[in-house]
Amino acid sequence: QITLKESGPTLVKPTQALTLTCTFSGFSLSTSGVGVGWIRQPPGKALEWLALIYWDDDKRYSPSLKSRLTISKDTSKNQVVLTMTNMDPVDTATYYCAYGKMWQLGFSFDYWGQGTLVTVSS
Amino acid sequence: DIQMTQSPSSLSASVGDRVTITCRASQSIRSYLNWYQQKPGKAPKLLIRAASSLQSGVPSRFSGSGSGTDFTLTISSLQPEDFATYYCQQSYNTPQTFGQGTKVEIK
Repeated sequence: QITLKESGPTLVKPTQALTLTCTFSGFSLSTSGVGVGWIRQPPGKALEWLALIYWDDDKRYSPSLKSRLTISKDTSKNQVVLTMTNMDPVDTATYYCAYGKMWQLGFSFDYWGQGTLVTVSS
Repeated sequence: DIQMTQSPSSLSASVGDRVTITCRASQSIRSYLNWYQQKPGKAPKLLIRAASSLQSGVPSRFSGSGSGTDFTLTISSLQPEDFATYYCQQSYNTPQTFGQGTKVEIK
């Protein structure tokens, strides 16, 4: 059974950095084809893809946020960490981590965490 | 970035109706297209991957089709539990962009 859970601060001040941890079970991030990604959703708005780290440590970022994002993994702890610098009120959103696999035709997020709401406010 | 445009943005339908949602990519994405369902306050759930492959456990009333730039999600007979927002997502390249969503509401 695959599960993921996001953890981190619920409130950050503008200009501060946000660090979110995704702790997972039921799979290994050293298995070929596997990846863990981060997706966010501002209140009442659509999903936005942020970053993805693959089993081989290949890292992909949204170009519009690349300068602010860092994704890393700790395979021994079954964790993936996302850091976003210089937070702004527009970054207020529910942040999800999700497990995915590479298939013959692409990649899909098969399992999602419950999400964590992060509010950016002074 | 590849832009994903869904239509309509929202629709009202009755239980038993056949519902079709369209997703258009700004360039060809072959069949690298996934569909998700999201209910209020919940995380998205994968319905269909690779344009037409039904995820395990998803009811067969859901189906997907298309390739290249135009894709369709069809619900053959809408059930009460299907009222939700649906998103398409391309995995052809980075960033793996989502559509803006289609909200299916009760008529």
